[in-house]
Amino acid sequence: GAGVSQTPSNKVTEKGKYVELRCDPISGHTALYWYRQSLGQGPEFLIYFQGTGAADDSGLPNDRFFAVRPEGSVSTLKIQRTERGDSAVYLCASSYGTSREGTEAFFGQGTRLTVV
Amino acid sequence: RKEVEQDPGPFNVPEGATVAFNCTYSNSASQSFFWYRQDCRKEPKLLMSVYSSGNEDGRFTAQLNRASQYISLLIRDSKLSDSATYLCVVGRGDSWGKLQFGAGTQVVVTP
Repeated sequence: GAGVSQTPSNKVTEKGKYVELRCDPISGHTALYWYRQSLGQGPEFLIYFQGTGAADDSGLPNDRFFAVRPEGSVSTLKIQRTERGDSAVYLCASSYGTSREGTEAFFGQGTRLTVV
Repeated sequence: RKEVEQDPGPFNVPEGATVAFNCTYSNSASQSFFWYRQDCRKEPKLLMSVYSSGNEDGRFTAQLNRASQYISLLIRDSKLSDSATYLCVVGRGDSWGKLQFGAGTQVVVTP
């Protein structure tokens, strides 16, 4: 498909477990973003990549959260020792670039993470 | 204070009417501005970018006021399918990719 693909679409995990969320961006998009969204709130910025490097990770809430994009395409968001407060929809987006003209971001359908 | 603030609504609009709402942003270094639309339990989708001179896309008109740091969206001739949450999005000049979202304004178009 031509859009941003996220897997899994739903993930239920037990408190304290480790989870990985995957994002496959639109082909040719160099910028990739991770957001999370809680009910009734707008998406909250976590991190964005320009190519393989994390250009801004200031939104990661703590050191339990980590994201990689080793080949500049697919990205994985990793959450260690999950807590119930981590429950949210995790959204991935990609864009052609991050210049002023290129930041129109296209979102995937998200991964709904539930920590029980 | 949040970087991007929006009236949550809901704005209840009769079909065919016009509705307008604003969002304010606090960071004067902001350089890029967008409106996204989000349907219930779906991902946000880009509605339109907002340019300094203001821009129009069909029934939708966006305006940017840098001096007062607000962005507006106007929807003319509202359709039932316009019912959604509209997210105001601001990008910072010092970190283009760090897009800040408002919490959204809910619009409900009624027959």
